[in-house]
Amino acid sequence: QVQLVESGGGAVQPGGSLRLSCAASGFTFSTYGIHWVRQAPGKGLEWVTFIRYDGSNKYYADSVRGRFTISRDNSRNTLYLQMNSLRVEDTAVYYCAKDPRIAAADIYSYLDLWGRGTLVTVSS
Amino acid sequence: AIQLTQSPSSLSASVGDTVTITCRASQGISSALAWYQQKPGKAPKFLIFDASSLESGVPSRFSGSGSGTDFTLTISSLQPEDFATYYCQQFSDYPITFGQGTRLEIK
Repeated sequence: QVQLVESGGGAVQPGGSLRLSCAASGFTFSTYGIHWVRQAPGKGLEWVTFIRYDGSNKYYADSVRGRFTISRDNSRNTLYLQMNSLRVEDTAVYYCAKDPRIAAADIYSYLDLWGRGTLVTVSS
Repeated sequence: AIQLTQSPSSLSASVGDTVTITCRASQGISSALAWYQQKPGKAPKFLIFDASSLESGVPSRFSGSGSGTDFTLTISSLQPEDFATYYCQQFSDYPITFGQGTRLEIK
């Protein structure tokens, strides 16, 4: 079954850290770029970060650059999001989502497969 | 960053109606636009890419059109399962951006 499954969400205090994971199955993970997109409670979708299929290029939204780090382990079919210096405004459901293009060199695409998301709550 | 403005923000319609949602980009994006459907508590579902191409398995009552700065999503003969929130997304420029969403409710 083709799917993405996020994990690692939870409650953390401001300034804290959390690492999210996204496990892929049913497709050749190592040939697709993957995004993280978040959604604050009751709000719309916000793109967060993207990593190329081979991990060689990474892109970040201004709101998280310098605090979040995206990475991947293609041998484990898993994507990660290391989140440091968390703020209250980082509270959201975090989705991983797949680029449909094989071995794409850039970030410019739609997202054809989404995970169910994992909730991150930053609060004192 | 390219801003996407959806209108209306919400609308009410009845089963069997045809509705149109508009997405306007702050600058030209050619046809680099996608549409998603999201139901409460669920992940977004991909519907349309390149402004007018229907994803495999998506019912043909969904259609998209437009290019440049103005785009529309039309849902014909609304079904009960179509009541949800719809988002547009541009992938012409960095960073990728989404519209604020249009909530489609049952009248």
